[in-house]
Amino acid sequence: GIQVEQSPPDLILQEGANSTLRCNFSDSVNNLQWFHQNPWGQLINLFYIPSGTKQNGRLSATTVATERYSLLYISSSQTTDSGVYFCAVGSPNSGGGADGLTFGKGTHLIIQP
Amino acid sequence: DSGVTQTPKHLITATGQRVTLRCSPRSGDLSVYWYQQSLDQGLQFLIQYYNGEERAKGNILERFSAQQFPDLHSELNLSSLELGDSALYFCASSELAWGTQYFGPGTRLLVL
Repeated sequence: GIQVEQSPPDLILQEGANSTLRCNFSDSVNNLQWFHQNPWGQLINLFYIPSGTKQNGRLSATTVATERYSLLYISSSQTTDSGVYFCAVGSPNSGGGADGLTFGKGTHLIIQP
Repeated sequence: DSGVTQTPKHLITATGQRVTLRCSPRSGDLSVYWYQQSLDQGLQFLIQYYNGEERAKGNILERFSAQQFPDLHSELNLSSLELGDSALYFCASSELAWGTQYFGPGTRLLVL
């Protein structure tokens, strides 16, 4: 099945810093989503971005489907940005069918005041 | 709030027992997905239903089953529970059979 690798696995930053999280995937995708899992376990959908660039406030994401990677940018970090960021993809070639998402292991982000 | 609801929030049970987790999708969404999050396996796709029919299967054990009812809510049944089934179970929904998936708050299952 499709492989999803996220980097870095852990990131500790000071409040106000910027960061870039990366997601590499091994096959073509028709779905790519970025999620933030907060300390209470909730999975919050950040972007649906199988290709192109999107922005939402301090967050933006870019997916280059032909090169099989996606980037999530967080600017002017706040302590509430702490948590785990997951990239998840849906591929027509995945074992679970086109619609079930395959998740990476996540990037654990800690923002210190 | 994603609009997806799951009950119960927490569940504690014993090995060998059977439990049922319930999910109500966002208003208007026809697809429901079930995922399991454990420390060992991470987040894994279990199964998808679209408008009452099973559409895609992932890493779902034979001891687990699911269904989607005419009102589009879904239930995930876990039987002959083992310690390793302890996990956070998420339901997600999407408008169609593809597209953005919105996740519920999860049901935290502890098998003792």
